[in-house]
Amino acid sequence: NAGVTQTPKFQVLKTGQSMTLQCAQDMNHNSMYWYRQDPGMGLRLIYYSASEGTTDKGEVPNGYNVSRLNKREFSLRLESAAPSQTSVYFCASTPRDRGPYEQYFGPGTRLTVT
Amino acid sequence: EDKVVQSPLSLVVHEGDTVTLNCSYEVTNFRSLLWYKQEKKAPTFLFMLTSSGIEKKSGRLSSILDKKELFSILNITATQTGDSAVYLCAVAAYGGSQGNLIFGKGTKLSVKP
Repeated sequence: NAGVTQTPKFQVLKTGQSMTLQCAQDMNHNSMYWYRQDPGMGLRLIYYSASEGTTDKGEVPNGYNVSRLNKREFSLRLESAAPSQTSVYFCASTPRDRGPYEQYFGPGTRLTVT
Repeated sequence: EDKVVQSPLSLVVHEGDTVTLNCSYEVTNFRSLLWYKQEKKAPTFLFMLTSSGIEKKSGRLSSILDKKELFSILNITATQTGDSAVYLCAVAAYGGSQGNLIFGKGTKLSVKP
């Protein structure tokens, strides 16, 4: 089991460029999440998907879109990147029977927007 | 507004010391409190606490929850350099955004040889 995987590991974008961060899990989990982590700010929820075909906004959704492609994959898209989106992005998943807790995290994507 | 506050924000100790990390919360419809350890990359799950006064233990780490006073502590005894990490506290609530874990800012623990 690879657990939760994310690609790419690192990315540098110029302001205004777009990109998609990919996340996949092989644990047959129902719920998946995208967080960003900034120094001194902790982890903040961007979007989540309780099940295939559904997505909901979290605490900081502005500037992002998501797509739950199937049960395994949950992607995060930046349509027009801004320097304020420089951050480390984590994807996480959890089985439905454990609710919104005991989340399993991917290794993260470090994004820099210049 | 729901919030989770961890203290101290950073801590430096020597190997063999015992440390106590604190997490207080103000969350509507509290469900559970979780502790994670984050080294260079992804947070890894340590404990989930739902009931007051019941200690969870794993090796040298232990944690307890006080739902009356709205806080939890994470104890690490006989610290080792491998315990150096950021320790995150998070709270889950009933209702509201199903996926929402509210995280504190973390405590950065440095263990010196």
